[in-house]
Amino acid sequence: EADIYQTPRYLVIGTGKKITLECSQTMGHDKMYWYQQDPGMELHLIHYSYGVNSTEKGDLSSESTVSRIRTEHFPLTLESARPSHTSQYLCASSAPNRQIHEQYFGPGTRLTVT
Amino acid sequence: QKEVEQNSGPLSVPEGAIASLNCTYSDRGSQSFFWYRQYSGKSPELIMFIYSNGDKEDGRFTAQLNKASQYVSLLIRDSQPSDSATYLCAVTAGSARQLTFGSGTQLTVLP
Repeated sequence: EADIYQTPRYLVIGTGKKITLECSQTMGHDKMYWYQQDPGMELHLIHYSYGVNSTEKGDLSSESTVSRIRTEHFPLTLESARPSHTSQYLCASSAPNRQIHEQYFGPGTRLTVT
Repeated sequence: QKEVEQNSGPLSVPEGAIASLNCTYSDRGSQSFFWYRQYSGKSPELIMFIYSNGDKEDGRFTAQLNKASQYVSLLIRDSQPSDSATYLCAVTAGSARQLTFGSGTQLTVLP
């Protein structure tokens, strides 16, 4: 099981602020993912990375950006937060050299934009 | 048609009964299948995965896969109130390293 951490766990912030959601994992996983999930709704992939300096947008259009400078770190940034960004953001990672590609999730960040 | 479909529920079973959760998928190239459990307000937790036709058992959980019918299920034996959660089915296809999730089935185990 992966050790994957997200901070902050809860964030309430005003419209227009820049925010960065942190995600780190200590298992050396090469693949990392960001999902967005509204209460009672589906998971939507917004960004993913298969390694350092590799990032791609997911299925759900998002105004956020990501970076992958270190294997263990995959932060997500919103340059100007809006109420429509209110949601739960989940980070996940997956191990290298695995054909099964199971993903392990962090505890999530619940973001509220007022 | 959604790529991964699940009955949203809610599904209610009495304590001690067998809970049966079902999932169908549209991509015949799908190769790996996952079941996640998500408690309200928490993140998904991997329960088990399966990639070969047939059954795979892990404790009280059994995953069943039928690729010809494009169908995967999860059986929970001796259901407990602590099993009450939303169960997410997820699928990967071929060399894809991403998961496609269903919308989940909400399970309630009644004491």
